[in-house]
Amino acid sequence: DTEVTQTPKHLVMGMTNKKSLKCEQHMGHRAMYWYKQKAKKPPELMFVYSYEKLSINESVPSRFSPECPNSSLLNLHLHALQPEDSALYLCASSQVAAGVLTGANVLTFGAGSRLTVL
Amino acid sequence: KQEVTQIPAALSVPEGENLVLNCSFTDSAIYNLQWFRQDPGKGLTSLLLIQSSQREQTSGRLNASLDKSSGRSTLYIAASQPGDSATYLCAVPETSGSRLTFGEGTQLTVNP
Repeated sequence: DTEVTQTPKHLVMGMTNKKSLKCEQHMGHRAMYWYKQKAKKPPELMFVYSYEKLSINESVPSRFSPECPNSSLLNLHLHALQPEDSALYLCASSQVAAGVLTGANVLTFGAGSRLTVL
Repeated sequence: KQEVTQIPAALSVPEGENLVLNCSFTDSAIYNLQWFRQDPGKGLTSLLLIQSSQREQTSGRLNASLDKSSGRSTLYIAASQPGDSATYLCAVPETSGSRLTFGEGTQLTVNP
């Protein structure tokens, strides 16, 4: 299995809702990532988990709360979002948990979750 | 800080043409460079990875080259097809950690 699976594919939520995005990989990768992508822009890194511990938080607002229950799963909990948070949220994973993207330690991306905040 | 630039931002070609997409980066101390393809509203698909010690990589009709000293990479697509229409992104990892620096992408349209 060489895939990163993200659910749901589409999510519409109000500003007072609480929802979660889920990501799963079964490649034995020990680093997992959340990226945010706005239309016609490159992805922007949000969080990095290494061996199920948060190693990078790119100063993301607390209304986004990541969770890594085990080495295969990554969640992004959403609460009190703003309309400007509407975007494509991409999950990725890589082999090496040290985090340095060298050699063959490349990112494998999921198909993304399209979030619309009303 | 690494900066990655892709030229052109958009490209429209007739089917069958050979084409070149360009990627330049400011810090030549890179471990590797990766080319991705992204279809509208979808995730990123890795096309080619070039290690810093390599000069080119090929996969089917795609050929990517890397010239570290000049801070450039090119993605050559031979005999383009309408199914090649997508946005192509290049990315390099920061030397100090987990961050990938992406270019803004080239939006390719191949017309039948």
